[in-house]
Amino acid sequence: EDQVTQSPEALRLQEGESSSLNCSYTVSGLRGLFWYRQDPGKGPEFLFTLYSAGEEKEKERLKATLTKKESFLHITAPKPEDSATYLCAVQAGSSNTGKLIFGQGTTLQVKP
Amino acid sequence: GAGVSQSPRYKVAKRGQDVALRCDPISGHVSLFWYQQALGQGPEFLTYFQNEAQLDKSGLPSDRFFAERPEGSVSTLKIQRTQQEDSAVYLCASSPLTSTYEQYFGPGTRLTVT
Repeated sequence: EDQVTQSPEALRLQEGESSSLNCSYTVSGLRGLFWYRQDPGKGPEFLFTLYSAGEEKEKERLKATLTKKESFLHITAPKPEDSATYLCAVQAGSSNTGKLIFGQGTTLQVKP
Repeated sequence: GAGVSQSPRYKVAKRGQDVALRCDPISGHVSLFWYQQALGQGPEFLTYFQNEAQLDKSGLPSDRFFAERPEGSVSTLKIQRTQQEDSAVYLCASSPLTSTYEQYFGPGTRLTVT
């Protein structure tokens, strides 16, 4: 069964304190791994897509990496405005519709 | 440009009532998805449209749930005889292509069944 697990469930950081969020996945043929940011009361906002092991993508203070079993979202010198829930999702090769399988999310709080 | 819009943003229904939730995807997007998000959880897939064709409805939890996209643009998710366990945020997402491509989400409709 295709599955995505994120850890930790919640993370509290001081402003400027770098850290990483983990996304472990088991999927029958990975077609793509996606990171989204979700603010309270809003829909998920697209951040990155990764397709193959070894791939990395960066955007401002965020950097996403991918291995054959997991992905990391590294946050460098976070600011309070980075506080949100970060969702990881996969598209499985067994699906021809592109549906996303999400993890439960990591809620990040950055304190000034 | 305009993103995905959903209406209403909030809906309160009494148990047993029927509800209809609307999604306006980004203009020209071929693919449209509906997801259900329970409090504190990640979204879960409900159904998928490619233009007007519903190609996957494997995630619909019961036959009380019905979705349509008759002209290949606006979509409606209908829930008949609502139950308390239907309370959740219903998210719509659209994508310009089929297959592997990022999906753009609307703000969601929060449904509360009392």
